[in-house]
Amino acid sequence: EPEVTQTPSHQVTQMGQEVILRCVPISNHLYFYWYRQILGQKVEFLVSFYNNEISEKSEIFDDQFSVERPDGSNFTLKIRSTKLEDSAMYFCASSEALLAGTDTQYFGPGTRLTVL
Amino acid sequence: GEDVEQSLFLSVREGDSSVINCTYTDSSSTYLYWYKQEPGAGLQLLTYIFSNMDMKQDQRLTVLLNKKDKHLSLRIADTQTGDSAIYFCAEPLLSGGSYIPTFGRGTSLIVHP
Repeated sequence: EPEVTQTPSHQVTQMGQEVILRCVPISNHLYFYWYRQILGQKVEFLVSFYNNEISEKSEIFDDQFSVERPDGSNFTLKIRSTKLEDSAMYFCASSEALLAGTDTQYFGPGTRLTVL
Repeated sequence: GEDVEQSLFLSVREGDSSVINCTYTDSSSTYLYWYKQEPGAGLQLLTYIFSNMDMKQDQRLTVLLNKKDKHLSLRIADTQTGDSAIYFCAEPLLSGGSYIPTFGRGTSLIVHP
C-alpha cells in the first residue's frame, strides 16, 4: 500500500539554525499538508499546499516557516532560525483530492525536531 | 472556534471494552473523526460519523455522538494488545473550501495482557 514517508525521523539542531524537514507524499496525490504536535499538546495544522502554492496556513505558520515542492516527489518544510519552542513532532500528510469531509488524508510517521 | 478535548491515557485489560471520550465545541461540524496512530507510524483515519447520526458501528468499533453535549466516544469491543495506540478525535475546520481536521491531544490506549 502506498504511504507517505518522512525524513529524518529525528532531527536535533541548535537554536538559531535552519532545518529542512522532508516528505515524500503519495505519488498521485495533489494536496499536501504539514502539522505539528508539541509534546503533550494537540496536533496543529500548519499549512496546506496545492498546485505549487500555499492554499491555507494557520497563524502558527509565520515568516519563519516556508514550504516547497522542489521536484516532482518531495515536499519540504523549512524552519529558519529555530527556537526552543519549535521542538515538536512534525507530520506531513497528502490527499488525492480537496478534503470534502470524508476524503482521507494519509499521514507520514513524523519527524521529531529537537531544538537545543 | 473549535477546541477538541480528550483524556490523555486509558489502560484496559485484553478482552475488555475500551471507551475513549472526546468533547468538541463547534456544533456546526458535519463530520467527526477518529484517527489512530500506532507506534512509529502516522495518523490513520479509523472511522468517522456524520453529525446527523447518533451511532455508527463497524465491527469491533462503535462511535457514539451526543450533539447536545458535544460529546463523541469510541468504544472498542474485545480490546486486543494490537489496539494499543494513540487515538485522536478530530473535527473539520472549513478553511478555504477544504475541511482541515482539528485534532485533540490524543488518548494513549494501553492494553495489558
